[in-house]
Amino acid sequence: GDSVTQMEGPVTLSEEAFLTINCTYTATGYPSLFWYVQYPGEGLQLLLKATKADDKGSNKGFEATYRKETTSFHLEKGSVQVSDSAVYFCALSDRATSYDKVIFGPGTSLSVIP
Amino acid sequence: NAGVTQTPKFQVLKTGQSMTLQCAQDMNHNSMYWYRQDPGMGLRLIYYSASEGTTDKGEVPNGYNVSRLNKREFSLRLESAAPSQTSVYFCASSSGGGSHNEQFFGPGTRLTVL
Repeated sequence: GDSVTQMEGPVTLSEEAFLTINCTYTATGYPSLFWYVQYPGEGLQLLLKATKADDKGSNKGFEATYRKETTSFHLEKGSVQVSDSAVYFCALSDRATSYDKVIFGPGTSLSVIP
Repeated sequence: NAGVTQTPKFQVLKTGQSMTLQCAQDMNHNSMYWYRQDPGMGLRLIYYSASEGTTDKGEVPNGYNVSRLNKREFSLRLESAAPSQTSVYFCASSSGGGSHNEQFFGPGTRLTVL
C-alpha cells in the first residue's frame, strides 16, 4: 500500500541555519504531496502542497519539489527562525477514493535555538 | 469563520467511563475524519465520513463509535474508556470527492484515561 517515510528527529538547528527534512513516498498512482506543520499545542495545518511531478510548493520561506523519479518531496528552508520550531509531517493523498484519504509520515520534530 | 472546532479541549476519565468528543466545521465540507496522535505513532485514522449519512472504519476503530449528525458535525464516542485510549484526538474535514484536497484540522482534545 501507499506509505510515507521521513527522516527521524528530533532535529535541532541554530537560528539562520539551512533546513532539509527528507521525505520519500511509495504510491501506485499519481498522488498529491503535502507538508503539514504542527505548532506546540495545536492541530496540523497545511504548509505547502504539490499536485504533479516537478511542481514546487512554497510557503513562508519553505519549499519542496515533487520528484517522481526519486519518489521524494524534501522540505527545505534557507534560514530557519525560532518560530519555525514545530513538528513537520510529510503526507500524500490517494486519488482512488470517495474522500480525501491522506497518508501521513511519522513526523519530524524541529527545534530552532537562538 | 471558525474552521474546525472541537470540544472539550482537555478531559480526564476513569477506566470504564464513557464520553463523546464533539467536532463541527463551518466550511461546508463533505468529508470529516477522526484521528488519534500518540508519541512515536504519528497520526492514525480512527473513523471517517466521506459524506453526510456515511461513516467507515479507519485504521484503529476498536473501542470507538462515531455519528455524522449532519453535514457540519461529526462526533466520536468512547463507550468504555481504557488507559490505551489516552491520546490526543484530532478532528479534520475536507471538501471530499477524492480530488486531492487538503484536510483542515481542529485544535485537538487531550484525553487521559486513568
